[in-house]
Amino acid sequence: DSGVTQTPKHLITATGQRVTLRCSPRSGDLSVYWYQQSLDQGLQFLIQYYNGEERAKGNILERFSAQQFPDLHSELNLSSLELGDSALYFCASSVGTHTGELFFGEGSRLTVL
Amino acid sequence: KNEVEQSPQNLTAQEGEFITINCSYSVGISALHWLQQHPGGGIVSLFMLSSGKKKHGRLIATINIQEKHSSLHITASHPRDSAVYICAVRWRVNTDKLIFGTGTRLQVFP
Repeated sequence: DSGVTQTPKHLITATGQRVTLRCSPRSGDLSVYWYQQSLDQGLQFLIQYYNGEERAKGNILERFSAQQFPDLHSELNLSSLELGDSALYFCASSVGTHTGELFFGEGSRLTVL
Repeated sequence: KNEVEQSPQNLTAQEGEFITINCSYSVGISALHWLQQHPGGGIVSLFMLSSGKKKHGRLIATINIQEKHSSLHITASHPRDSAVYICAVRWRVNTDKLIFGTGTRLQVFP
């Protein structure tokens, strides 16, 4: 058990809809990272938050947004969903920003029909 | 060309064999991660390296910064080692972005 909790584990929805994925980091970790893993693109970094502020941005679509709340949990919002958004979405946490081991959640599997 | 290349893409082994998975990268990095992803999908961080060598149980990871190359070795492989092993690099320049390799799928047969 990594200590990182992601919900929901599975989600099936329709094109055009909006979903929210939630991540609770390991106790004491200030950084939260979001990654997308699709069959054709592999793992890709989406966005990172550190202590409530956005710190790094990767290949995140404009239809996607994220935030980190004062209690350090984070949410990834995916809107106007397309078939190609079907993927595993992972959250990871670490203590700091530029160093340190990453601890991954179990992932949220999103299926867009 | 991908910035992070792994080889081989697929690997099969008999239980007990010594296994090596390679990772080459083309950018300057501050750290390299080896990750393990089991068939259920969960990802576990095995090592984070910035230089030299690390060992944990039957797993050994090495990195050569000058040659931009890292290896993950598994000694006395076991069927429970069957998983996808992913190399990921953290760019050197003040960023937490990770660039991932495409992974090596390992199957160890009894």
